[in-house]
Amino acid sequence: DTAVSQTPKYLVTQMGNDKSIKCEQNLGHDTMYWYKQDSKKFLKIMFSYNNKELIINETVPNRFSPKSPDKAHLNLHINSLELGDSAVYFCASSPLPSPQETQYFGPGTRLLVL
Amino acid sequence: GNSVTQMEGPVTLSEEAFLTINCTYTATGYPSLFWYVQYPGEGLQLLLKATKADDKGSNKGFEATYRKETTSFHLEKGSVQVSDSAVYFCALNVIGDYKLSFGAGTTVTVRA
Repeated sequence: DTAVSQTPKYLVTQMGNDKSIKCEQNLGHDTMYWYKQDSKKFLKIMFSYNNKELIINETVPNRFSPKSPDKAHLNLHINSLELGDSAVYFCASSPLPSPQETQYFGPGTRLLVL
Repeated sequence: GNSVTQMEGPVTLSEEAFLTINCTYTATGYPSLFWYVQYPGEGLQLLLKATKADDKGSNKGFEATYRKETTSFHLEKGSVQVSDSAVYFCALNVIGDYKLSFGAGTTVTVRA
């Protein structure tokens, strides 16, 4: 029973393509997140949704568009992929957007743009 | 702003050695503090957390104490095992910020 799942696990694509990464959580949480981990393992928040509403939108190119069809899903669509988008993207969820809550992470999607 | 500074790695140890990873933070509010661990090829897992000053988080033999006076949350384990080889991230979360701010991560390798 995977708590936070992401698909695909690996994604190799050409520059200029459009791709989507899907995330689902079966924990009943209200809040979901997308983080980007670069080649040096540095992690940074990209977006967060609480109950399908956007609450965090960091300085991310507008080629990245999150979509939350319901509380259990937060998908990430990326247009016109660039070499610098190569990274590992992690989805996470928490019961509430409270600083005391633990965030539960998915296994990551390894994106390589050629 | 809110930020975390943690000890740079990589750190290489022998089995049964003592491990310390230093973590200090800067926060505009009153943060909750976390240690997450990332095993090779996997996502992050919560290792331990502390939500108020002087709290001690502990799990799997690891401990960290929330020190407000030194703005620190150092991770320690008395006797590491090969299975502890991973990347360790210190992180904080502050009311109104809604997100985890991570340190740069420390890669730990334990040799048999």
